[in-house]
Amino acid sequence: AQSVSQHNHHVILSEAASLELGCNYSYGGTVNLFWYVQYPGQHLQLLLKYFSGDPLVKGIKGFEAEFIKSKFSFNLRKPSVQWSDTAEYFCAVMRNSGNTPLVFGKGTRLSVIA
Amino acid sequence: KAGVTQTPRYLIKTRGQQVTLSCSPISGHRSVSWYQQTPGQGLQFLFEYFSETQRNKGNFPGRFSGRQFSNSRSEMNVSTLELGDSALYLCASSLAGRGAKNYNEQFFGPGTRLTVL
Repeated sequence: AQSVSQHNHHVILSEAASLELGCNYSYGGTVNLFWYVQYPGQHLQLLLKYFSGDPLVKGIKGFEAEFIKSKFSFNLRKPSVQWSDTAEYFCAVMRNSGNTPLVFGKGTRLSVIA
Repeated sequence: KAGVTQTPRYLIKTRGQQVTLSCSPISGHRSVSWYQQTPGQGLQFLFEYFSETQRNKGNFPGRFSGRQFSNSRSEMNVSTLELGDSALYLCASSLAGRGAKNYNEQFFGPGTRLTVL
């Protein structure tokens, strides 16, 4: 069965530090990849997505992610985090064949301290 | 365009009862998916409905069921509630029409917080 692994359960960073959150998936075929963010008290929002083309995708709020097919990875990055980036981040994968559900990782909680 | 709406937002039930949650997708979206979110397990897929038919089902017991109406609105039902069913239940909608760009991009609602006592 397809699975998604997010290696960090909780990450604590100081403001202006760089961020990289890891995401690996197990499916070997063509996939669509997503990062969602859930700010405290708010609903899940799409941060960025990869469907095809340039493997480096840029999303909202200065986030970007790189799809490395050979490593089955889709890591999320931000050069300089802000206090307002404190949230839970979810990586999600959907097989691009047939009608298959979106499979989420268990999430990484990011706490940014001043 | 209005987003995905879910009702009720909060619900408290006791063990053994049943509950029905409702989801209205974004206008024009034909697919509705349901997820259970808990602190320990993250988001787990329950089922997906497309054009009133269940298209995918996750690994949940038969106490969890759903349906979709002709206007794409969806309901999920949990019967014989257990303490472990306490969770945030999320609904997501997508276009899911073949040939539509980004057809499987999902948009989430605010969720229904279910507490089972």
